[in-house]
Amino acid sequence: QVQLVQSGAEVKEPGASVKVSCKASGYTFTSWYIHWVRQAPGRGLEWMGIINPSGGSASYAQKFQGRVTMTRDTSTSTVYMELSSLRSEDTALYYCAREGGGGSGSSNWFDPWGQGTLVTVSS
Amino acid sequence: EVVMTQSPATLSVSPGERATLSCRASQSVSSYLAWYQQKPGQAPRLLIYGASTRATGIPARFSGSGSGTEFTLTISSLQSEDFAVYYCQQCDDWPLTFGGGTKVEIK
Repeated sequence: QVQLVQSGAEVKEPGASVKVSCKASGYTFTSWYIHWVRQAPGRGLEWMGIINPSGGSASYAQKFQGRVTMTRDTSTSTVYMELSSLRSEDTALYYCAREGGGGSGSSNWFDPWGQGTLVTVSS
Repeated sequence: EVVMTQSPATLSVSPGERATLSCRASQSVSSYLAWYQQKPGQAPRLLIYGASTRATGIPARFSGSGSGTEFTLTISSLQSEDFAVYYCQQCDDWPLTFGGGTKVEIK
């Protein structure tokens, strides 16, 4: 079955960077785009950006431009999301999610989701 | 960006009753709308896409309707496992945006 498994929780100091991984299995990795969405404690969902695992191109929400980088490793079917210059407001659960539908960037809904990675920013 | 507004914020419903959740977009998103269910400690789960198409494995008691700027998620007869938070998401334009959620709680 299609599955996304994310890396474990992280605790970072303000100003540091964090890199979260998302390992895909159960489908052709390069055929479906991957999105990143975050959720602050007790809050709603916020889209961060999207990566095409085939060519590696990525697009980011303007809010995160300059601070976020999404990459992939096709040899391990893993995508990464790195967020820099962390501040307390970045404390959140970070989810990767595969695009739904037929793949190749044709859909902008998410199915399935990874289990989430909690990133805590605290001094 | 497209602002998504969900109402009500909290809906108190008895098991077996119907629940109707609303989602409004600040501009037309055609039928590019999805609904998700999130239970405590879990990732969101896709329920509906294309405004009205149920995702694989989603029970028929869940139905979606609407187009343009007004959308509705209906749960025809609430089961115990349906008490959760529900989010709508517009899939029409980047940045992709979500509503603030509706919590369906036991009355």
